[in-house]
Amino acid sequence: QVQLVQSGAEVKKPGSSVKVSCKASGGTFSSYAISWVRQAPGQGLEWMGGIIPIFGTANYAQKFQGRVTITADESTSTAYMELSSLRSEDTAVYYCARAGHVEMATIPFDYWGQGTLVTVSS
Amino acid sequence: QSALTQPASVSGSPGQSITISCTGTSSDVGSYNLVSWYQQHPGKAPKLMIYEGSKRPSGVSNRFSGSKSGNTASLTISGLQAEDEADYYCCSYAGSSTSYVFGTGTKVTVL
Repeated sequence: QVQLVQSGAEVKKPGSSVKVSCKASGGTFSSYAISWVRQAPGQGLEWMGGIIPIFGTANYAQKFQGRVTITADESTSTAYMELSSLRSEDTAVYYCARAGHVEMATIPFDYWGQGTLVTVSS
Repeated sequence: QSALTQPASVSGSPGQSITISCTGTSSDVGSYNLVSWYQQHPGKAPKLMIYEGSKRPSGVSNRFSGSKSGNTASLTISGLQAEDEADYYCCSYAGSSTSYVFGTGTKVTVL
């Protein structure tokens, strides 16, 4: 059974950066895409980007290009999402989600982490 | 890339059927049979309900079904139950450059 466990809540100042981790257990880590999806308070879901650990190259939603970095460490089965130049609008719950198939597009978000609340406030 | 359009809310009585629409464009929903649907209860992570437009993961009730016509995908919940009250989101693959776009979300209320 695949489980994704994320790091704890963060409070950050505007202009700073945050790095959220997502540790996977069960299943094969390297071959399945891990994505990051965020949800602002009372708002919908928004795909930020994803990575297939075995390839190591991430792709990002245009909105976040230049501000987000997604990485993966195969040795610890952990994915990371770092968001820089934080502003108040980045206050949201950030989820990691793993694909359910090696062809990510077929089942893009099958397993989800519990979410990490990032609050950006001065 | 704009979010896919869903109705803000849909309601029904227990036992009834409801349908949630998800309207995109010829660049996303219309181009790929790769729409997925997610159920989200308050304070919880989303749960996959439908993938590849109409396929159900193991463990998901057969009361949930998906379909697509043109640029619009649909999720139907039959035999509505109190536990189905939640937010529902569609998501479509939109090509390698855009990748994934979610719908605006629909709140389902069981009367």
